[in-house]
Amino acid sequence: AQSVAQPEDQVNVAEGNPLTVKCTYSVSGNPYLFWYVQYPNRGLQFLLKYITGDNLVKGSYGFEAEFNKSQTSFHLKKPSALVSDSALYFCAVSPASTGANNLFFGTGTRLTVIP
Amino acid sequence: DADVTQTPRNRITKTGKRIMLECSQTKGHDRMYWYRQDPGLGLRLIYYSFDVKDINKGEISDGYSVSRQAQAKFSLSLESAIPNQTALYFCATSLGSHQETQYFGPGTRLLVL
Repeated sequence: AQSVAQPEDQVNVAEGNPLTVKCTYSVSGNPYLFWYVQYPNRGLQFLLKYITGDNLVKGSYGFEAEFNKSQTSFHLKKPSALVSDSALYFCAVSPASTGANNLFFGTGTRLTVIP
Repeated sequence: DADVTQTPRNRITKTGKRIMLECSQTKGHDRMYWYRQDPGLGLRLIYYSFDVKDINKGEISDGYSVSRQAQAKFSLSLESAIPNQTALYFCATSLGSHQETQYFGPGTRLLVL
């Protein structure tokens, strides 16, 4: 069965400091991994994805994520946090072995960047 | 994302009522999805459609039905609403490969009294 774990409900970081939002996954076979962000009263916005190739994926707004197959992780990172990065972040996985791109979401991590 | 629109944006209804949530997209995508979001649970898939003639149940389809009226339109119905269907509902679309990104609408906030 496919699953995604985001072990931290809440992450607080000071503006200008690096941030990490953690994600681990469980999937049969190779995974396709995604990060989405949700701002208040908005839908989910795509940030980045890992399909294959380079383990370090760069995405929108200066975010990046590193795929680590041995640790089954896909942590989201940014070198210098902005107050405007404060939002709810979701990690999602789609198993590559199936024909459907059904996404399995984590429960979300609320990031608060403190001025 | 303005390419995926949902109506209504907010809805209050009573237990037992039938309601329909609508989703339209101008992205030209074949695949469409309905999710619900509950606090602390993330998003869960209700139904998905690969094209007009292909509709599939997701993780939590009980109590819901869908209709794919055209490539661009995918409606979600609650035949007899109950309070535990109170949630935020999202429509999403994607291209035909399962590597593809899903693009989400702004959501419909539903309250069932």
